Amino acid sequence: DAKTTQPNSMESNEEEPVHLPCNHSTISGTDYIHWYRQLPSQGPEYVIHGLTSNVNNRMASLAIAEDRKSSTLILHRATLRDAAVYYCIRPFNAGGTSYGKLTFGQGTILTVHP
Amino acid sequence: EAGVTQFPSHSVIEKGQTVTLRCDPISGHDNLYWYRRVMGKEIKFLLHFVKESKQDESGMPNNRFLAERTGGTYSTLKVQPAELEDSGVYFCASSQVAGWLAGYTFGSGTRLTVV
Repeated sequence: DAKTTQPNSMESNEEEPVHLPCNHSTISGTDYIHWYRQLPSQGPEYVIHGLTSNVNNRMASLAIAEDRKSSTLILHRATLRDAAVYYCIRPFNAGGTSYGKLTFGQGTILTVHP
Repeated sequence: EAGVTQFPSHSVIEKGQTVTLRCDPISGHDNLYWYRRVMGKEIKFLLHFVKESKQDESGMPNNRFLAERTGGTYSTLKVQPAELEDSGVYFCASSQVAGWLAGYTFGSGTRLTVV
C-alpha cells in the first residue's frame, strides 16, 4: 500500500510561510510524491509533484529529503484562500492495471488566520 | 482550457431508484478516473479508463455500479438500484498521461444523496 503519514492539522498566519510535512518511509526509487489540496465544496486540486529533486511552481515548492523518506510542501506566503485539506500521496505506479490511482489519506487540515 | 465537468452537481434520489452521473474530461485526456467520498470517510478510487477501456475497476464497490466511456470521451457512472450507503460525493478526474507523471485535474464532484 502506498502509505504516507501527515499531521492531522496545522495552523498558520496570513502572509507567513507554511511547511507541511509528510513521511513516506516505505517509498521506492520510482515512486513519485504528489500533493493535492481540497478546498471546501470543491474537488481535489493538484498542487505539485516530484521524484528526487526539489520542485517549484507557481503554487508551492516541494522539498524532498535526500533519502526520499519524507518531503515538505512549502507555501511561501499563506493566504486565506490556502485554507484547505492537503494530501501527500504516492500514486501507484507499479504498472499493470493499477498505475496512477491515488490513495487519499486523511490529509492535513490547514487553517490560515488573518 | 476547460476543466473537468461533472453533472449534475447535486442529486437526491430515493432508495431503489437509478441515477446516472456524467463526467466530461479535459479534451484530449485519455485517462479518466472516478473517485468517491462517502460520509466521514476518505476519498476512494473507483475505477480508471484509458480511452474507452477499463484499465482498473478494482475500487468499484459492487455490481450495482456500472461505468462506461463510449468513444473514449465522456464517462457515465450509473448506480442501479441506489442504496443509502451510496450517498456521498463522486469525483471524476482526468489526465493526459499516466497520472503519476503529471497530475490529475478533478471535477467539482456530484453530491449524491439517497433517501
